Amino acid sequence: GAVVSQHPSRVICKSGTSVKIECRSLDFQATTMFWYRQFPKQSLMLMATSNEGSKATYEQGVEKDKFLINHASLTLSTLTVTSAHPEDSSFYICSAGDMDYGYTFGSGTRLTVV
Amino acid sequence: GQQVMQIPQYQHVQEGEDFTTYCNSSTTLSNIQWYKQRPGGHPVFLIQLVKSGEVKKQKRLTFQFGEAKKNSSLHITATQTTDVGTYFCAGATGNQFYFGTGTSLTVIP
Repeated sequence: GAVVSQHPSRVICKSGTSVKIECRSLDFQATTMFWYRQFPKQSLMLMATSNEGSKATYEQGVEKDKFLINHASLTLSTLTVTSAHPEDSSFYICSAGDMDYGYTFGSGTRLTVV
Repeated sequence: GQQVMQIPQYQHVQEGEDFTTYCNSSTTLSNIQWYKQRPGGHPVFLIQLVKSGEVKKQKRLTFQFGEAKKNSSLHITATQTTDVGTYFCAGATGNQFYFGTGTSLTVIP
């Protein structure tokens, strides 16, 4: 079945630095990938839709200059949290797939900003 | 904006009892998907419903999509401890989908 690889799984960074998270579709091509954020014991919040070869579509309230998304190829999308602050600490997760067969999620990235 | 609500937020059941979670959307959906997330894990796709009034079964799990395509339910018959986790619905409009708030299921042996 479809496999989505995400890394790193955990990252601790200092406040003010930037962190890049990668999401790869291993056995299929993904023209569209999605990035979510999940707070403890809460649902997943869609942050943005990543489109290969074009600009990402951000949800209302998500700062596009803070959460940079690049979808440079059909198998890779990256999310960069720029100038991270403690309030950016969260679980970030990507997904890829299609409407016909459902979506596969990456294993997620636990970001802690200290 | 798009809103998908789920109830209940938490549910504790004795092993062997049935469990149901309900999902409601403020707008008509093109389809709805259900996911299960184990504690510490990531969401795993269970099923997708597309047609109005559709009912699908997976062993002890029964999924329904409302006639108006605005609500859905997941019913588990005779729960087992392996059913523990959070169940999310995700409603789709266009090529995006939005997750419900989730129902956390605890099964007491």
